[in-house]
Amino acid sequence: GAGVSQTPSNKVTEKGKYVELRCDPISGHTALYWYRQSLGQGPEFLIYFQGTGAADDSGLPNDRFFAVRPEGSVSTLKIQRTERGDSAVYLCASSLTSGRNEQFFGPGTRLTVL
Amino acid sequence: GESVGLHLPTLSVQEGDNSIINCAYSNSASDYFIWYKQESGKGPQFIIDIRSNMDKRQGQRVTVLLNKTVKHLSLQIAATQPGDSAVYFCAENGASYGKLTFGQGTILTVHP
Repeated sequence: GAGVSQTPSNKVTEKGKYVELRCDPISGHTALYWYRQSLGQGPEFLIYFQGTGAADDSGLPNDRFFAVRPEGSVSTLKIQRTERGDSAVYLCASSLTSGRNEQFFGPGTRLTVL
Repeated sequence: GESVGLHLPTLSVQEGDNSIINCAYSNSASDYFIWYKQESGKGPQFIIDIRSNMDKRQGQRVTVLLNKTVKHLSLQIAATQPGDSAVYFCAENGASYGKLTFGQGTILTVHP
């Protein structure tokens, strides 16, 4: 079956602009995760959803970052007033349920803020 | 197991050799650990996991060892192949039910 997909694969924007990044999880997976990966570093947790609700958003760096998953499937990560420091690869993962289960990662969206 | 910047540890081996990649984790309460492989331009790919009630687990050509006393994980790859060349990350799941904390990563290069 299809894996986790993310769109767009690349996004270039200007400082101060608003961006949306989309994640389509594996069908039937109830848990969905967002991570951010800077060059040369491991992924850094942002937020995860169990169903439609955000179960843990402790990794969101500030209130410019917001994520939704209104129907418990597709999720959108929204970044307002982008800054150059937001440039990174944003990774989405899903798992059958939350907890000690394998997280399957998508290919990521590379965000560049000029 | 926090990332420290651009200079990842590297391991260079010959094809057919065994490889050992090490990882120190930070949270003594973590009870689930995973090794991921990441190739350039791709997301992390699951390799093997281990729960804290075990000290060793074997998969196909891979073995993970867990030493809770010193908070250390290792990944052993047998008969390493050029296709194993990638960055390898350990991750721990302890602080929150769904949140993974990733280690620094090690670049593995396999020479034919």
